[in-house]
Amino acid sequence: GAVVSQHPSRVICKSGTSVKIECRSLDFQATTMFWYRQFPKKSLMLMATSNEGSKATYEQGVEKDKFLINHASLTLSTLTVTSAHPEDSSFYICSARDLGGQISYNEQFFGPGTRLTVL
Amino acid sequence: AQRVTQPEKLLSVFKGAPVELKCNYSYSGSPELFWYVQYSRQRLQLLLRHISRESIKGFTADLNKGETSFHLKKPFAQEEDSAMYYCALGSSNTGKLIFGQGTTLQVKP
Repeated sequence: GAVVSQHPSRVICKSGTSVKIECRSLDFQATTMFWYRQFPKKSLMLMATSNEGSKATYEQGVEKDKFLINHASLTLSTLTVTSAHPEDSSFYICSARDLGGQISYNEQFFGPGTRLTVL
Repeated sequence: AQRVTQPEKLLSVFKGAPVELKCNYSYSGSPELFWYVQYSRQRLQLLLRHISRESIKGFTADLNKGETSFHLKKPFAQEEDSAMYYCALGSSNTGKLIFGQGTTLQVKP
């Protein structure tokens, strides 16, 4: 159980375009999902907390107008990178909490990640 | 401030040698700590949670509140243990996970 999927796994786009990444909880409902960014051989940087039915909470330094998050249902959160630039190229990872089934409140289940390359 | 520190970027050992991946944390409340592992080209997955006091794949980790540490240990490393290991601190206030910088474990044959 507690499987999180992401789509697409890899995307290449031109500078100035927008890209949408989907994160789905496949076998549980997730009122809260998280979006991270991972740089090569470095740690995960939390970008924002996505809350079902309300606005996302962004971490300091993350532009909310640049990285639009929508959590319209209990199983789906989307991250849209608007007007993408080469510096937005990165590995984006989402995670979710399965409050109904997990042992620990803070435990998160991670998606496989999306590799974004902006040309 | 809430912080997780993994002082080693890379730890290289030979197969069969003991392994200890260090993790120190800074947290004012009651900490909840995890070890996550990321094998090559795979997603991040939970290895251990301190509240379960479990041993997974031969790994153990003990929370030492006096030293604010949660080091990951395995008595005999295997080649398949080669991966990136992240120590993470759960914040009960926010539900967020704070990750350390990660340690790459390389087990040589």
